Amino acid sequence: QKEVEQNSGPLSVPEGAIASLNCTYSDRGSQSFFWYRQYSGKSPELIMFIYSNGDKEDGRFTAQLNKASQYVSLLIRDSQPSDSATYLCAVNPITGGGNKLTFGTGTQLKVEL
Amino acid sequence: DGGITQSPKYLFRKEGQNVTLSCEQNLNHDAMYWYRQDPGQGLRLIYYSQIVNDFQKGDIAEGYSVSREKKESFPLTVTSAQKNPTAFYLCASSMELAAYNEQFFGPGTRLTVL
Repeated sequence: QKEVEQNSGPLSVPEGAIASLNCTYSDRGSQSFFWYRQYSGKSPELIMFIYSNGDKEDGRFTAQLNKASQYVSLLIRDSQPSDSATYLCAVNPITGGGNKLTFGTGTQLKVEL
Repeated sequence: DGGITQSPKYLFRKEGQNVTLSCEQNLNHDAMYWYRQDPGQGLRLIYYSQIVNDFQKGDIAEGYSVSREKKESFPLTVTSAQKNPTAFYLCASSMELAAYNEQFFGPGTRLTVL
């Protein structure tokens, strides 16, 4: 079982719709969770982080965390073509401590006109 | 402007050669990291460093070496012992090696072995 799992996609949504990206993780003691956006050929850019159960909103982005289900998601409202990218989920597992992140393989999002 | 710089952007290496990738940050971050990304895969940790003159192996350290002589700099050497070095190399930094600090990435170096 992979430590951090994401559906590779592509996930296609029409412009203006809500895009829902999901991530599951195996280490139950994981403490912090991050979403990065990566455009093709570019480096990852941090867009959201969440530490506590529940929802965290930042503009059009909402991160949702459910530690009991070991599940974290990212919702993008009013999706725009510029949101088309690969979204990486990263988890700080309790094993080893510190700020060592384990990354999923990413979900490719395509926002269509 | 504060940020992380990596050079060169593209690097070509002949088999059997060692090459060094540069990473510099002016964010006053304590911790620095090197990752490797292969097509269709997530980022894998090569080495990380919490403070000057200290660094630890990550998940795929074989064939790589690092140094941390200054807080701002964390160069990565890809040695001839690394059998499949063609990849996208990413350097990151964070305020300290603690659970809740976000990592920020440099623009990356794309290494190709000829």
